[in-house]
Order: sequence, then C-alpha cells, then structure tokens
Amino acid sequence: DIQMTQSPSSLSASVGDRVTITCRASQSISIWLAWYQQKPGKAPKPLIYKASSLKTGVPSRFSGYGSGKEFTLTISGLQPDDFATYYCQQYSGSPYSFGQGTKLEVK
Amino acid sequence: QVQLVESGGGLVQPGRSLRLSCTASGFPFSLHGMHWVRQIPGQGLEWTAYISYDDSNKFYADSVKGRFTISRDNSKNTVFLQMDTLRPEDTALYFCAGVAEPYTMITPLEYWGQGILVTVSS
Repeated sequence: DIQMTQSPSSLSASVGDRVTITCRASQSISIWLAWYQQKPGKAPKPLIYKASSLKTGVPSRFSGYGSGKEFTLTISGLQPDDFATYYCQQYSGSPYSFGQGTKLEVK
Repeated sequence: QVQLVESGGGLVQPGRSLRLSCTASGFPFSLHGMHWVRQIPGQGLEWTAYISYDDSNKFYADSVKGRFTISRDNSKNTVFLQMDTLRPEDTALYFCAGVAEPYTMITPLEYWGQGILVTVSS
C-alpha cells in the first residue's frame, strides 16, 4: 500500500506570507496527486490535480509541484480565507490514501 | 449545479448495521466512479471505499474490508455504503465523493457531499 506522509502537521503564518507544505509518497505515484482544502464543518475543496494543475476558479497564489514521490503545495501571499487544513491524496490506485493533513493557522 | 446528498446516518449500537445513501445530480453519475471518505471529528480524512462507474471494480480500506460493502444504482443516481458489524472506531462523518473524469479510475475526487454523521455507541 502507498503511504502518504505530509509535513508539517501544523503551520503558523501571517497574511502575506509564503508557505510550503510537503507530501511524500512511499512509492512513485507519477503525477497522480491532488491537494484539497478543508474548513471546519465543510467538505474538502479540490485545489490542484495531477500534482500541479490548478482547478478552475482556484486563485493563482496556489501552486503545486512534484512528481514521483515528492510533492509540494505553495501558497504565495496568504489571504485570510486561506487559513484552513490542507490534505494531499494519491489517486494512482487503491487504497487512495490521504496525507495526515496540515493545519494552517494565523500567527 | 452539482449536488450530492448523503442520508442514512445516525446512532447505532456496536455490532449492528447501517446503510448510507448518497444521491447525486448535476453530472453524468453513471459515467463516474464514486468514493466514500470518512473523518473522525477533529481528525484527518480517511479514504474508505471506491466503486467504478460500471460496478466492475470495488476497493476498500483495510479498516473496513469484509464489513462494509459499496454499491450503486445508476438508474437512481445513488451510491450506497452498507456498514455491518459496526465498531465504535467507525464513528465518523462520512462523505461521498464523485470523481472528476468519466470512466477512468485514475482521477481525483471532484464532487463532495456535505457529509453524514455515524455514531457507533451503546
């Protein structure tokens, strides 16, 4: 089974900062990685597919990078609406594992 | 617009069964695979089960294999999760989710329901 390890588990930052979250797969998943944003009490919202493709409507301050086993999500110029929890997920095959999540909090 | 509405959750005793339903609209349901994802309150997302668009492939997380069964009725745009032999650790918010691209299994989760709470307790 493919394990997804996400870091850090939590992150404190200020509006305007640039932050990066890392996701590592236990084996190669090519580019089959998605990033989701989740706010309390809400369903996850897709942000990025195929490691780096921004979903339509997602602000360009979000970017994804990587292939194989190592991936990053970067938010450049944090906005108040960005404080949430972020998850990576591999969809190369079952089990379609998620990372543990990164909670982005206001410093 | 796309809508997924889960139902069937609630309080159930350990060892008993429950069946969740998720009815979709706004996208060609019969062409898209469907997932169930659960989340223990205050914790992360746990992928739970997947069914392909044509029912030919089903996959389960190890934690539910042999106890949960995913199925679908394309004539009713509905996916089900039959949960048997429930345990307290199955207590979670259960989301159904539809994949982004038709036909293929290698596609992310695009459409999400609002989630339905299942509580397993005596």
